Amino acid sequence: GEDVEQSLFLSVREGDSSVINCTYTDSSSTYLYWYKQEPGAGLQLLTYIFSNMDMKQDQRLTVLLNKKDKHLSLRIADTQTGDSAIYFCAEGYTGNQFYFGTGTSLTVIP
Amino acid sequence: EAGVTQFPSHSVIEKGQTVTLRCDPISGHDNLYWYRRVMGKEIKFLLHFVKESKQDESGMPNNRFLAERTGGTYSTLKVQPAELEDSGVYFCASTSSNQGPYEQYFGPGTRLTVT
Repeated sequence: GEDVEQSLFLSVREGDSSVINCTYTDSSSTYLYWYKQEPGAGLQLLTYIFSNMDMKQDQRLTVLLNKKDKHLSLRIADTQTGDSAIYFCAEGYTGNQFYFGTGTSLTVIP
Repeated sequence: EAGVTQFPSHSVIEKGQTVTLRCDPISGHDNLYWYRRVMGKEIKFLLHFVKESKQDESGMPNNRFLAERTGGTYSTLKVQPAELEDSGVYFCASTSSNQGPYEQYFGPGTRLTVT
């Protein structure tokens, strides 16, 4: 099956930028997603990017996609303590299953 | 509109027992997915229903797992008999075939602990 890899942990200071990285193996996915999981909660879609795009910006979030290197990143500007959570990247195919990474646990230090 | 709900939120059972997890998708969503996350690992696909039919069950680990979606509404996932390696968080997701970009809406998960 497809492999989606992420670092397990990331710590940043409040106010700094966070960059969470993800690599994947299958280049035929339709969309790539970033989901956020807060403690005790389900997965919440943060943002997505269509596979023919290079970049997408949504307020404090910037998604970069390098299709050649099969690398996806999520940048969170001005990281706040409320951003502490587990972030999952996923690749998806229209109407079919998603392939998720292991999740990156982001800790924001006040 | 209510989101995806799952019951129970947490279940602790002994090895060899049976557990049934339930998922109620968002009303009107024809696609329903089950996923599982073992601690520290990736979230892995188990199976996919379109209405009441199993579209893809390639992720089901073995025949101790049985999923049903009678009537195309809620779904159940039964584990019988449970083994230690079945412990993890079971997520359910739903989506509508008519919407794009085909976001899957996830429930809060059921944490299963097999002792």
